[in-house]
Amino acid sequence: DADVTQTPRNRITKTGKRIMLECSQTKGHDRMYWYRQDPGLGLRLIYYSFDVKDINKGEISDGYSVSRQAQAKFSLSLESAIPNQTALYFCATSEGEDTQYFGPGTRLTVL
Amino acid sequence: EDKVVQSPLSLVVHEGDTVTLNCSYEVTNFRSLLWYKQEKKAPTFLFMLTSSGIEKKSGRLSSILDKKELFSILNITATQTGDSAVYLCAVRTNFGNEKLTFGTGTRLTIIP
Repeated sequence: DADVTQTPRNRITKTGKRIMLECSQTKGHDRMYWYRQDPGLGLRLIYYSFDVKDINKGEISDGYSVSRQAQAKFSLSLESAIPNQTALYFCATSEGEDTQYFGPGTRLTVL
Repeated sequence: EDKVVQSPLSLVVHEGDTVTLNCSYEVTNFRSLLWYKQEKKAPTFLFMLTSSGIEKKSGRLSSILDKKELFSILNITATQTGDSAVYLCAVRTNFGNEKLTFGTGTRLTIIP
């Protein structure tokens, strides 16, 4: 079984809709991250959490919110999706400053 | 603003060749540099480098960091078609908050 899972894997939605992307991990790591990847721009950090009570904004947090429901779960919400949020979204986990392990990604298309 | 620049953007070589991928950075409060391999979807970890001049090696892959000149290289010897991927470099900084800045990657294609 995969250590870091993301649901859904693909999603198409319309402008203005609320979307939630979910991430679960079985690695027991304390840190979790959400990134988006766009062609030509690389991976950019949206939000990160060092434990259940700790949430921090990343480089591009506008238009997004997160919830760390448990150590193993970190969800990303788009309150009102817009087309320029079309991207590949990755969740990642790490134990302290150690390497990050990435989930399989969610391809989101906003029409 | 923190910057991580990778070169070349893409590279096509024949199986068996040796390649060198470059990563240069300009960041505040450097902590570590990481290399990832991204094939179809999720990036997978290759190396983490924190000290200058110490080579990390895993099979045919090796990497070294130069903190004075602010760059790292990733070498792949005796390339195989399975090495075809996008290779990502990322720099971790800590200026009050965690930050991992990624380069845009080098797309490596190995021709049989």
